[in-house]
Amino acid sequence: GAGVSQSPSNKVTEKGKDVELRCDPISGHTALYWYRQSLGQGLEFLIYFQGNSAPDKSGLPSDRFSAERTGGSVSTLTIQRTQQEDSAVYLCASSLAGFVEKLFFGSGTQLSVL
Amino acid sequence: QKEVEQDPGPLSVPEGAIVSLNCTYSNSAFQYFMWYRQYSRKGPELLMYTYSSGNKEDGRFTAQVDKSSKYISLFIRDSQPSDSATYLCAIFNAGNMLTFGGGTRLMVKP
Repeated sequence: GAGVSQSPSNKVTEKGKDVELRCDPISGHTALYWYRQSLGQGLEFLIYFQGNSAPDKSGLPSDRFSAERTGGSVSTLTIQRTQQEDSAVYLCASSLAGFVEKLFFGSGTQLSVL
Repeated sequence: QKEVEQDPGPLSVPEGAIVSLNCTYSNSAFQYFMWYRQYSRKGPELLMYTYSSGNKEDGRFTAQVDKSSKYISLFIRDSQPSDSATYLCAIFNAGNMLTFGGGTRLMVKP
């Protein structure tokens, strides 16, 4: 596709349930990032994938959060046993390798945990 | 202290005004400086990036970096209602991620 695609655009879940968020990066972009944006807050780095290298998981807030990237393309962010404080917009971004200054973002998934 | 500080606003200006948006940062090792624009319910989109002190112009937008003061600015000339959005500064050092400011919400009134 022409841009970064994220699905679903909105997700409402109950506390304690697991959720999966999907990201399709721009074709040819080997770098993929997940960020979280809480209401009125800046972007919080979660995880970074670059090609076949081990991901940088340093931003994941707890072991309830995990992500994988299959075939160097699509990525899934999984949140287990969701909590109300997990409510936020989860943004995915991709870039060409070595061009972190030119990130392209998707529109995000608005996650609401009731 | 946050690594990147940005006044959240909102900043309200009349159409045609010159807008000044600012960020300060704490780590003098930061190398690249970006400005992103984010419309409501959309992801941020890159407006401009620079890696040196001084000014960089692109149409109505000018990015300014003062590394000695650790201060970056975005100026918007002849502001339009369509410029109403949240503006995020972002800074990159060696490594894998950008560090973002909290964003300034701008409203340009017709």
